[in-house]
Amino acid sequence: AQSVSQHNHHVILSEAASLELGCNYSYGGTVNLFWYVQYPGQHLQLLLKYFSGDPLVKGIKGFEAEFIKSKFSFNLRKPSVQWSDTAEYFCAVMDTGRRALTFGSGTRLQVQP
Amino acid sequence: EPEVTQTPSHQVTQMGQEVILRCVPISNHLYFYWYRQILGQKVEFLVSFYNNEISEKSEIFDDQFSVERPDGSNFTLKIRSTKLEDSAMYFCASSLLAGGIDTQYFGPGTRLTVL
Repeated sequence: AQSVSQHNHHVILSEAASLELGCNYSYGGTVNLFWYVQYPGQHLQLLLKYFSGDPLVKGIKGFEAEFIKSKFSFNLRKPSVQWSDTAEYFCAVMDTGRRALTFGSGTRLQVQP
Repeated sequence: EPEVTQTPSHQVTQMGQEVILRCVPISNHLYFYWYRQILGQKVEFLVSFYNNEISEKSEIFDDQFSVERPDGSNFTLKIRSTKLEDSAMYFCASSLLAGGIDTQYFGPGTRLTVL
């Protein structure tokens, strides 16, 4: 069965610092990859997604992620974080032919002003 | 922007009671989902629903669970006889496309507390 690992459980950064959150998945076949964000008191929102094509995908609010098939990774990056990026970030994987999303455990990002 | 809505936001029930969690998916969406998140654990897939039938379910989704689309707008999750371990946040989601892969849009969740 598919599993997703997010190695950073809690990350604390100062404003303007660069961000990289790790995500690795286990299944070696064709997958679709997602990053969702949950701001305090709000619901899960899609940040970005990868289905095919260019492995570097850009999402909302200046976030991007790179799919590296050989490493089973889909790391999330942002060059300069803002206080408003404080939230929990979830990586999720969907195996081709299925509809179920498999989520990682989430990374809580705290940005200090 | 259209959103998935869920009611109630918080439900408290006694062990053994039946609960129905309600969701209104985005109006032109065709696929509907339930996920749950036990406190401190990962978000887990329960079931997907398309064309008035279950299209996929996880091993968590046993005979105690059922889903229904009783009318053109609501999508419900019923737990027949709740257990303490059913306490969790339950998320509804919907997506537009019948074929291919598309984005799932999530509701705010219902926190279920079983006493």
